[in-house]
Amino acid sequence: DGGITQSPKYLFRKEGQNVTLSCEQNLNHDAMYWYRQDPGQGLRLIYYSQIVNDFQKGDIAEGYSVSREKKESFPLTVTSAQKNPTAFYLCASSTKRGPRDTQYFGPGTRLTVL
Amino acid sequence: AQSVTQLDSQVPVFEEAPVELRCNYSSSVSVYLFWYVQYPNQGLQLLLKYLSGSTLVKGINGFEAEFNKSQTSFHLRKPSVHISDTAEYFCAVSERRNNNDMRFGAGTRLTVKP
Repeated sequence: DGGITQSPKYLFRKEGQNVTLSCEQNLNHDAMYWYRQDPGQGLRLIYYSQIVNDFQKGDIAEGYSVSREKKESFPLTVTSAQKNPTAFYLCASSTKRGPRDTQYFGPGTRLTVL
Repeated sequence: AQSVTQLDSQVPVFEEAPVELRCNYSSSVSVYLFWYVQYPNQGLQLLLKYLSGSTLVKGINGFEAEFNKSQTSFHLRKPSVHISDTAEYFCAVSERRNNNDMRFGAGTRLTVKP
């Protein structure tokens, strides 16, 4: 089945540690996205990538880093510089074959920093 | 840049009653509009989208939405809700010239009571 997978579903880390969240898609989508979701708020864009080896900052990129070495994979690293990393993180992807691309989401990773 | 306002943070309703979840957007250019549903601890699932053409859009699970350009609204409706419709609903907008920049509302929590 085609889809987007995120792992792990739940992640616990100590304050000051970097942590990497995985996002893989087998939809052959060109574009991939990372969002952060906090209670009572909508999704906020962290980073996005339209093509391999290229990515752009979203609204809240500070304290995060990404890489796009393969079309299928777009891992997100939450660094120790991120002041409040506890949140629900969602990965999405979309095709860029035309202007009407829709974003499809993975199941999310809930990160808790202790 | 575009923005979205979901007018109700919580909507309680009894089973088999009709429901309307309100969404207003702001943009200086033409837009695409989306409704997503999120069940607890899961990713977002696309309910429906407006790209062009008919202003009444039908989606999955019996939901529909109407695009009203003059009122800049895209309200979501269902004539008879089920307990299983209990979830968080997000309205989103992207500008036609830049699909990468999708803006989400803060969400509406729909609770269907027996």
